Amino acid sequence: NAGVTQTPKFRILKIGQSMTLQCAQDMNHNYMYWYRQDPGMGLKLIYYSVGAGITDKGEVPNGYNVSRSTTEDFPLRLELAAPSQTSVYFCASRGQANQPQHFGDGTRLSIL
Amino acid sequence: DQQVKQNSPSLSVQEGRISILNCDYTNSMFDYFLWYKKYPAEGPTFLISISSIKDKNEDGRFTVFLNKSAKHLSLHIVPSQPGDSAVYFCAASEFSSNTGKLIFGQGTTLQVKP
Repeated sequence: NAGVTQTPKFRILKIGQSMTLQCAQDMNHNYMYWYRQDPGMGLKLIYYSVGAGITDKGEVPNGYNVSRSTTEDFPLRLELAAPSQTSVYFCASRGQANQPQHFGDGTRLSIL
Repeated sequence: DQQVKQNSPSLSVQEGRISILNCDYTNSMFDYFLWYKKYPAEGPTFLISISSIKDKNEDGRFTVFLNKSAKHLSLHIVPSQPGDSAVYFCAASEFSSNTGKLIFGQGTTLQVKP
């Protein structure tokens, strides 16, 4: 029962570097989400997808990009890392409308 | 503009007593509410939800109450256990939009003392 798998678990980046946070789910869920959580704050939606090939912006999309070429995978791309993107990133997926989102264990990202 | 607020950053209760966690929202379009529990270094785990057509939903030791006129919901845990110590997040969505987008509160850290 893998559920939602996020890699890597930890990463340190230098300002201006780029990286891709990976997210995969094995529950055949159409809906997938990326959130960030800053210290002492709730989760904020970055991007979401309602199915393969379809993505849309959330509350805080600036500085990020996503793609959804398969049902299983929903990678999040940081092109030019900035200190303000230091955060914990959570990926989630959901099946039908009356089902809750299932979360991965997060990627802790520090940008120095 | 915080649409979902949890005004108590922390709560401490004795084992066996009731824990009450509160959440307020401002957007009248929200019609589906959830509570998530989060342990350190793990992702949030779904706990319980409630639709706006109900005012109460119960699942074992956990009960969620919704007061639509006050735009307020609360989570009751009875009896509280030390394993309940975690951060609890309230979240809200517009169910009818079918996107599943969630707006989260800031979280309340619950400590249950043995």
